[in-house]
Amino acid sequence: QKEVEQDPGPLSVPEGAIVSLNCTYSNSAFQYFMWYRQYSRKGPELLMYTYSSGNKEDGRFTAQVDKSSKYISLFIRDSQPSDSATYLCAMSPPEAAGNKLTFGGGTRVLVKP
Amino acid sequence: EAQVTQNPRYLITVTGKKLTVTCSQNMNHEYMSWYRQDPGLGLRQIYYSMNVEVTDKGDVPEGYKVSRKEKRNFPLILESPSPNQTSLYFCASRGQGRSPLHFGNGTRLTVT
Repeated sequence: QKEVEQDPGPLSVPEGAIVSLNCTYSNSAFQYFMWYRQYSRKGPELLMYTYSSGNKEDGRFTAQVDKSSKYISLFIRDSQPSDSATYLCAMSPPEAAGNKLTFGGGTRVLVKP
Repeated sequence: EAQVTQNPRYLITVTGKKLTVTCSQNMNHEYMSWYRQDPGLGLRQIYYSMNVEVTDKGDVPEGYKVSRKEKRNFPLILESPSPNQTSLYFCASRGQGRSPLHFGNGTRLTVT
């Protein structure tokens, strides 16, 4: 079993809908949680970064972490066609401090105009 | 412009022929890392470097070598490539603390 599980999709939504993405993980030592967005033929770029449990909001993006359930989520409000990409979750324990990230397999998202 | 530059973008080679993928960053970052990305497996770390002359294995280091002689460069070396090393490779760098990883645009390697 992988340490981080993520549904590969594709997840297809109409423009303006809320996109809901999630990852589950098995390593209770993970404390740092990140979401990356990857466009085709490009490298991943950091979207959101959270530490431990709770919510974090940045514009149209909200990241949630539930450590008791080992479950993290990313919500994209008012989705746009430009949000069509692959979204990767990543996480690391405190001692690694981001030096050794464990990534999920990524969820492909398609936002249709 | 701040960036991580990988070369080449595409590479097709044959089994056993040594190759090097170069990576350079212009942000004066201490930390650099190599990942490979495979369908369904996500990004897996190959090697990372905390600073010049300091390197360490990631999760999948077998068959790869790295060196960090200068701060800006972190080449990935495949001494004897095999078909199971066919993959999309990413170099990344970041500054100190919890600063985000900056990724290059990838090198698609095919080993026949």
